Amino acid sequence: GAVVSQHPSWVICKSGTSVKIECRSLDFQATTMFWYRQFPKQSLMLMATSNEGSKATYEQGVEKDKFLINHASLTLSTLTVTSAHPEDSSFYICSAPWPGTAYGYTFGSGTRLTVV
Amino acid sequence: AQSVTQLGSHVSVSEGALVLLRCNYSSSVPPYLFWYVQYPNQGLQLLLKYTSAATLVKGINGFEAEFKKSETSFHLTKPSAHMSDAAEYFCAVSDGTGTASKLTFGTGTRLQVTL
Repeated sequence: GAVVSQHPSWVICKSGTSVKIECRSLDFQATTMFWYRQFPKQSLMLMATSNEGSKATYEQGVEKDKFLINHASLTLSTLTVTSAHPEDSSFYICSAPWPGTAYGYTFGSGTRLTVV
Repeated sequence: AQSVTQLGSHVSVSEGALVLLRCNYSSSVPPYLFWYVQYPNQGLQLLLKYTSAATLVKGINGFEAEFKKSETSFHLTKPSAHMSDAAEYFCAVSDGTGTASKLTFGTGTRLQVTL
């Protein structure tokens, strides 16, 4: 149980285009979703926290106009990388608090974004 | 604020040997500590977590970790490495503000298992 489905698993896009990444909670309601970015051979850096029905909270240094986060329902949170550039190429992972478990988190399988 | 430090970005062990991955934490509040494993191009899978109960925590796949407050450590061990254990391992600490509290990750340790 407590599965977060993340799509797409990989995407290649041209510079200047936008890409949307979706995370769906399949068997539970995710009121909160965390979005991370991971550079090759590096750790996960928290980008933002989204809460259903309200604006996302971005970490310091993260451009909210470039990384648009929407959490319109209890089962869907999306991250849109707008006007993508090669430096946005990275591995993006979402995570939701595990329901009914203290301090547990379930992670999506990640999205490898390559901007060419 | 909280942080974790993982000593050794790369650890290599022989199959059947002891696995020891080091993690030290810093936290201004009682910490909640986690170990996650990541296989290439995949998300993270929880190995185990410490949430102020027993200091010796047993996880999946034969892994365990011991919380030592005096040493601010939460090292991950496994008595006998298996080839399938080769992966990236992340130690993480929670700010403990609730079920939606944030995780801060260490820089990761890549475990290599050789024959």
